[in-house]
Amino acid sequence: DVKVTQSSRYLVKRTGEKVFLECVQDMDHENMFWYRQDPGLGLRLIYFSYDVKMKEKGDIPEGYSVSREKKERFSLILESASTNQTSMYLCASSVLDRYEQYFGPGTRLTVT
Amino acid sequence: EDQVTQSPEALRLQEGESSSLNCSYTVSGLRGLFWYRQDPGKGPEFLFTLYSAGEEKEKERLKATLTKKESFLHITAPKPEDSATYLCAVQAPNTGNQFYFGTGTSLTVIP
Repeated sequence: DVKVTQSSRYLVKRTGEKVFLECVQDMDHENMFWYRQDPGLGLRLIYFSYDVKMKEKGDIPEGYSVSREKKERFSLILESASTNQTSMYLCASSVLDRYEQYFGPGTRLTVT
Repeated sequence: EDQVTQSPEALRLQEGESSSLNCSYTVSGLRGLFWYRQDPGKGPEFLFTLYSAGEEKEKERLKATLTKKESFLHITAPKPEDSATYLCAVQAPNTGNQFYFGTGTSLTVIP
């Protein structure tokens, strides 16, 4: 079974803090994704990566950056957290030429 | 511009009462349509991929079908453990690995 893990299930941070969310997958998938999920808005893509050190912006990249130094690990960075970044963050991975994504359990981030 | 619309937003069924969830999409040249199940507080779990009109996939009590403009997730004789939010996503041409998700249908099956 594909396993995608995320570093924290729940996280509380203060406005202005730098926040790191980490995601690890154990199936050697090329693609990795970061989404946020908000009520009524569904899942929105923040960034995705199709290879080590490669990244592409999704629909809502503002206020976020990513890092992929190893194939199995994809990090989402909030440079200066703001209250409007309070959300559920979901990481996913997929094989390069197949499009079904496998999701981690999510990190519920609260910024106060 | 809405790419994916799911209906109804919420559905309550008695155990054993079959029904269908709808996912309509506006993209042309669909590369794939995906169904996921999401339990509260968890990440989505992949269910099905459909690639072309007329295609059908089945898994236990669930059956997904695809036409040129919409997909249906049919639930036959549901059980309480089928209660979850069901998400639909589409991948359009020229979007690379980008997907568009609907907001989901929240299904509650009452014993």
